[in-house]
Amino acid sequence: AQTVTQSQPEMSVQEAETVTLSCTYDTSESDYYLFWYKQPPSRQMILVIRQEAYKQQNATENRFSVNFQKAAKSFSLKISDSQLGDAAMYFCAYRSSYGGATNKLIFGTGTLLAVQP
Amino acid sequence: DTGVSQNPRHKITKRGQNVTFRCDPISEHNRLYWYRQTLGQGPEFLTYFQNEAQLEKSRLLSDRFSAERPKGSFSTLEIQRTEQGDSAMYLCASSPGGEHYGYTFGSGTRLTVV
Repeated sequence: AQTVTQSQPEMSVQEAETVTLSCTYDTSESDYYLFWYKQPPSRQMILVIRQEAYKQQNATENRFSVNFQKAAKSFSLKISDSQLGDAAMYFCAYRSSYGGATNKLIFGTGTLLAVQP
Repeated sequence: DTGVSQNPRHKITKRGQNVTFRCDPISEHNRLYWYRQTLGQGPEFLTYFQNEAQLEKSRLLSDRFSAERPKGSFSTLEIQRTEQGDSAMYLCASSPGGEHYGYTFGSGTRLTVV
């Protein structure tokens, strides 16, 4: 079974600085998708960024980028120019590319990011 | 389209009572998921529907839990004979077909069993 591990329960960053959140996963599959979700205090989860495992190029969405290391099964999220609105719980998630019963997202335990003014 | 809607937002119930939650997914999405999230933890999968068919249920979903999605539209999650351990946030999400899509989540229903 696939697992997702986030080893940093809490992180803190100064406004305008850069922070990297770590995520590792375990799978025997070769094709899958990885996601980072943000959950602000209002509790609605928002998709931040997505990476296809078959793509070597790291995904980027504005100030958010990932460092995807497939061999190491590592998928870190970098937030550049941090803003107060980035403060939230961040979840890393895995999804098999095969349909059917393995369709669901598997989440890590999350990293709580604080942004200091 | 207003996204995924969940009702109620909060529910306080006495132990032993039954509760029902509702989820209205994005209308074009044929896939619907229920997750449970306890404080400080990541969401845990409960069940998955593709259209009206319930295709997967987690072992977390005991006999006291039942979910339906009649006509492949909205879904309900019922918990019978609630226990204090059922206190959690219950999240609903929907997605289009295709594994490369992420989910769109609702705001959740916070259940407190007293």
